[in-house]
Formats: sequence, C-alpha cells, structure tokens
Amino acid sequence: EDQVTQSPEALRLQEGESSSLNCSYTVSGLRGLFWYRQDPGKGPEFLFTLYSAGEEKEKERLKATLTKKESFLHITAPKPEDSATYLCAVRTYNNNDMRFGAGTRLTVKP
Amino acid sequence: NAGVTQTPKFQVLKTGQSMTLQCAQDMNHNSMYWYRQDPGMGLRLIYYSASEGTTDKGEVPNGYNVSRLNKREFSLRLESAAPSQTSVYFCASSQELYQPQHFGDGTRLSIL
Repeated sequence: EDQVTQSPEALRLQEGESSSLNCSYTVSGLRGLFWYRQDPGKGPEFLFTLYSAGEEKEKERLKATLTKKESFLHITAPKPEDSATYLCAVRTYNNNDMRFGAGTRLTVKP
Repeated sequence: NAGVTQTPKFQVLKTGQSMTLQCAQDMNHNSMYWYRQDPGMGLRLIYYSASEGTTDKGEVPNGYNVSRLNKREFSLRLESAAPSQTSVYFCASSQELYQPQHFGDGTRLSIL
C-alpha cells in the first residue's frame, strides 16, 4: 500500500537556525512529489513539485530535494513568518490518487 | 482574486441530517477535488473530477456524493451525516489532473 510519512511531527527553531524536514514514501511508481505550506485556518498553498530523483527546486529560504525514497525540505536561516505546517504529497501510478503525509508543524522563534 | 471559494465556512449538523458543501473556482481550471483533513492523518482525497462531466472516487468516498455542476462548481453532499464525518473539508482545483492544486480555506463541519 502507498504510504507517505513525514518527520518530525513538530520542529521548533530559533530564527536563523537552519534545518530540514523529511518526507519518506513507499509507493509503486512515483509520478510526482508535491510540497505545500499550510497556515492555521487556511488551505494548503503550493510550494514545489519534484518528478525525478536528483531534482532540486528553490524558493527564497526553501529548497526541496528528491531521492528514490524520500524528499527533504531544507529551510535556510528561517524567519518567524516561515512558521506553518509543511505537507508533502505523492501521486503514484498505482492509483489515480494523491496521498498526503500528516505534515510537520514548524515554529520559528524570534 | 477569489481563487477557490467554499461555502459555508462552518456548519454543525445532527446525525442523520443531509448537507451540501459548495465549491467554486474562478481560474478556469479543468480539474477539481474534495479532501477531508483530520488531526494526525493528513489530507485524504474523497472524490475528484478530472474535467467537466466526469467524477471519480478517491481514497475515502463512502458516505459522500459529488456533482460537477459546470466547469466552475463542484459540490460535495453528505446524505445522512455521521459523527465520523466530523472534519475539515477542503476543495481544490488544478489546470489539469494532479498538477499543482489551489485550495480553498475549508469548511469546518461538526456532526453531533
């Protein structure tokens, strides 16, 4: 069965303290991996799509990378406004479906 | 710049009542989706519509029905609400199936 697991569940950082969020997946054929940001009381907001191992995407302080088993969202010198829940999702060849992880709740303290 | 609009934002129902959640997008997208989000479980796909006139089941379709009314609108119906359907419901749209999705801000539904 297709599974998507995100770790850690929660992460607290000081402003400027870089770190990484992990999204590991076991799926039968990856068609795309998506990262979203979700603020409290809001819907998810699209960040990146990755399609093949070795691919990288960057946006401001965020960088997403992909291997055959996992994706990382690297946050460089985070600011308090980066505080949010970060979700990853995978689309597979197995089902015409989109599977989301439970998310990592990031808090950045000033 | 409305994007994806969901109504209502909040609703409380009694067990057995029926309800339709409304969703409309103004981005001329072909594909639309309904998800539910529960604590600790992430978003789960209920139904999706790849294009106007088509609908398909997602991961958790039981207890729900959908209607793609036209290209802009995609509604989700609970025929006989159960407490297990208490959740936050999100509608999303994308240009084509499973391209990056734009989400509404959700409907918070409680069933007593």
